[in-house]
Amino acid sequence: GESVGLHLPTLSVQEGDNSIINCAYSNSASDYFIWYKQESGKGPQFIIDIRSNMDKRQGQRVTVLLNKTVKHLSLQIAATQPGDSAVYFCAGNTPLVFGKGTRLSVIA
Amino acid sequence: DAGVIQSPRHEVTEMGQEVTLRCKPISGHDYLFWYRQTMMRGLELLIYFNNNVPIDDSGMPEDRFSAKMPNASFSTLKIQPSEPRDSAVYFCASSHQGFVYEQYFGPGTRLTVT
Repeated sequence: GESVGLHLPTLSVQEGDNSIINCAYSNSASDYFIWYKQESGKGPQFIIDIRSNMDKRQGQRVTVLLNKTVKHLSLQIAATQPGDSAVYFCAGNTPLVFGKGTRLSVIA
Repeated sequence: DAGVIQSPRHEVTEMGQEVTLRCKPISGHDYLFWYRQTMMRGLELLIYFNNNVPIDDSGMPEDRFSAKMPNASFSTLKIQPSEPRDSAVYFCASSHQGFVYEQYFGPGTRLTVT
């Protein structure tokens, strides 16, 4: 079955620097990959998705990269802000598996 | 729109009791998802509905768990009997056709079973 995991459970970044959150997957059946952000005490919030036939997609201050050769996904956040502090989840859609996430801490 | 509404926000119950969690999705959304989140297992999909019909319940832990969606604006997740290992935060999320994975999550119900 699908296995979507994260390389690092925690990540600390200086305010203003760029953040890169990595994610590996084992099942190639997914045709979408999705990133969510969860702030403390709240439900997850959709950030961005990418179709499996793309290798890059940009949003507002975020970029998702997909490398199907090595089955790797990353979320890049430009000019990280204190409000970006949260747990970030990646997921493939087949099946829809989120896992534990990566905690991003922004140091002011 | 008020977003996805869940009730109660907190529930404390004793082992063996029945627990019912409730969810009102965003109006117009035709997908509804139930998730469970724990420190050990992270965020797990339990079941999801499309147009009130259960599509995939493979994530439901066991027969003690059941979910219904009697109409487009209401869903329940029931645990009977509850056990301490069911303690978790349960989220409901909804989305609409064409943007299935752009899900809107509710605030969650924190369940504690003693």
